[in-house]
Amino acid sequence: AQTVTQSQPEMSVQEAETVTLSCTYDTSENNYYLFWYKQPPSRQMILVIRQEAYKQQNATENRFSVNFQKAAKSFSLKISDSQLGDTAMYFCASQGAQKLVFGQGTRLTINP
Amino acid sequence: DAGVTQSPTHLIKTRGQQVTLRCSPKSGHDTVSWYQQALGQGPQFIFQYYEEEERQRGNFPDRFSGHQFPNYSSELNVNALLLGDSALYLCASSLEAIWAVDKGAKNIQYFGAGTRLSVL
Repeated sequence: AQTVTQSQPEMSVQEAETVTLSCTYDTSENNYYLFWYKQPPSRQMILVIRQEAYKQQNATENRFSVNFQKAAKSFSLKISDSQLGDTAMYFCASQGAQKLVFGQGTRLTINP
Repeated sequence: DAGVTQSPTHLIKTRGQQVTLRCSPKSGHDTVSWYQQALGQGPQFIFQYYEEEERQRGNFPDRFSGHQFPNYSSELNVNALLLGDSALYLCASSLEAIWAVDKGAKNIQYFGAGTRLSVL
């Protein structure tokens, strides 16, 4: 079974600051992937970044990077130089064979 | 490049009715997954279709059924609607074909904007 836990229901930072969203997971799969998705008020779930569990190197995508700690089953998202457009719900998700298992989400607000 | 499209955008039904939601996958994708997202929650996996067959199913009752057509589009059907079925229904598509060069790309699911179902 897979579970994903996001312990921060809400976060708020000022524009241009750096913010880190936490995520822990549990899975019985040997090969799995981890994702961060962003869901703005438009409801469209947008892929932010992905991490292949067999790769030790942390994934980066422009201002977004992850800190993947496999032994601790931790997968946090760091957003650098935050922008107003980053305001959204952020979901951490794990994927084994096919299905995605999502956490409860963190509502991130970027203030001007 | 057309993304994942879902219809309708919004739907209002009454208890006991039946509903059909539709999804067209991203161009080139062959696999469709459906998720239910209750208000304030993360999405929950309903089922996945590949090669016109249900390949994997989450913890949802048989009132939830689906179909995939030869053109890879998909429908989600819910019978005997309950108040608790009110939610955002998300469709996601991905590429399963074994010739996908990037193994990681094979597992990326791209989402539509969802159908908001309200059951009164």
